[in-house]
Amino acid sequence: QKEVEQNSGPLSVPEGAIASLNCTYSDRGSQSFFWYRQYSGKSPELIMSIYSNGDKEDGRFTAQLNKASQYVSLLIRDSQPSDSATYLCAVNSPNTGNQFYFGTGTSLTVIP
Amino acid sequence: KAGVTQTPRYLIKTRGQQVTLSCSPISGHRSVSWYQQTPGQGLQFLFEYFSETQRNKGNFPGRFSGRQFSNSRSEMNVSTLELGDSALYLCASSPGLAGGLMTDTQYFGPGTRLTVL
Repeated sequence: QKEVEQNSGPLSVPEGAIASLNCTYSDRGSQSFFWYRQYSGKSPELIMSIYSNGDKEDGRFTAQLNKASQYVSLLIRDSQPSDSATYLCAVNSPNTGNQFYFGTGTSLTVIP
Repeated sequence: KAGVTQTPRYLIKTRGQQVTLSCSPISGHRSVSWYQQTPGQGLQFLFEYFSETQRNKGNFPGRFSGRQFSNSRSEMNVSTLELGDSALYLCASSPGLAGGLMTDTQYFGPGTRLTVL
């Protein structure tokens, strides 16, 4: 079983819609969760981090964490064509020092 | 603050050669992690260095090695290059906090794209 799993997609949503990206993880001791966005040919850039159960909002982005279900998601409201990218979920646990585990990413396309 | 820098940005080598990639972390960051990214495998963790010591290591052969200097700059070396080593090599910088409930956030450099012919 992989440490972090994401639906690889591709996920297509129309412009202005809500895009929902999901991620599950296997280490119950995980305490830090991150979403990165990666445009084609570029390096990943951090969108959000979340550490506590519940929702965390930042502009059009909302991260949701449910540690009991070992589930973290990212919602993108009012999706724009510029949001078209691959979204990577990353998890970090004290059990593994500072090693981050990344999912394989979900490819999102926002259709104008 | 300046971001993470990686040099060179592009590299073309032939099988059997060796290569050294360099990463300069964000000022004040003490941890540097290296990843290999290929279309089929996603981000694969190579190793992490903190205060000049390798703290974590992924499942890569011994041909892949790294080191970190006292100024936190890091290098990774790949010896006896194989065609399958063609990839984007990413360096990620973080403060390198040890323990605690909150862990680090990693910030990526632009990457070095290695092509092995």
